[in-house]
Amino acid sequence: EPEVTQTPSHQVTQMGQEVILRCVPISNHLYFYWYRQILGQKVEFLVSFYNNEISEKSEIFDDQFSVERPDGSNFTLKIRSTKLEDSAMYFCASSAGPYYGYTFGSGTRLTVV
Amino acid sequence: AQKVTQAQTEISVVEKEDVTLDCVYETRDTTYYLFWYKQPPSGELVFLIRRNSFDEQNEISGRYSWNFQKSTSSFNFTITASQVVDSAVYFCALSEARSGAGSYQLTFGKGTKLSVIP
Repeated sequence: EPEVTQTPSHQVTQMGQEVILRCVPISNHLYFYWYRQILGQKVEFLVSFYNNEISEKSEIFDDQFSVERPDGSNFTLKIRSTKLEDSAMYFCASSAGPYYGYTFGSGTRLTVV
Repeated sequence: AQKVTQAQTEISVVEKEDVTLDCVYETRDTTYYLFWYKQPPSGELVFLIRRNSFDEQNEISGRYSWNFQKSTSSFNFTITASQVVDSAVYFCALSEARSGAGSYQLTFGKGTKLSVIP
């Protein structure tokens, strides 16, 4: 069964550093997402990407965050200057459309120290 | 705005007991999709079921069953004869199918942590 692949599985970074989280969505999917889960809390929507642009973003997704789909296969989330509160599990997901459901990657656990 | 409420924060049951996890949702759309995900201690999100708003048939899959009631905006999940391997956090989620939105993002509930005691 097709998978969404996320790398790295775990990243530790110093506060103020830039990080890039990488995702390879399922190839024929059209919708791409990033979600965040702070430890012990619920999964929160960050951003959706469709037709090569951001289709919706949450209040969490401020100017420190950006997304790209640089080569038609990878889908990246960049955090420009990490803060301690950015420590969380970040999930990438892709979908062929809401009727077909969503496939989540295994997540990247980001730890900001 | 869409909202999902899972009122039960934590539930503990003894192995082989049945357990029901509650989910209540709010949406202004007539077309929407409901989901349940399991998150084991390893952290990944495991898809369990998807239901669209036009299909109110209850579903059974092995020891799992789901009761979808539009009249009460609920989509409850029952595990029959629970096992230790069922111990996890379970999330209910909602997606609205607004045409042209290009988003269809999932809104998750806060999750219910289920502990099955041997």
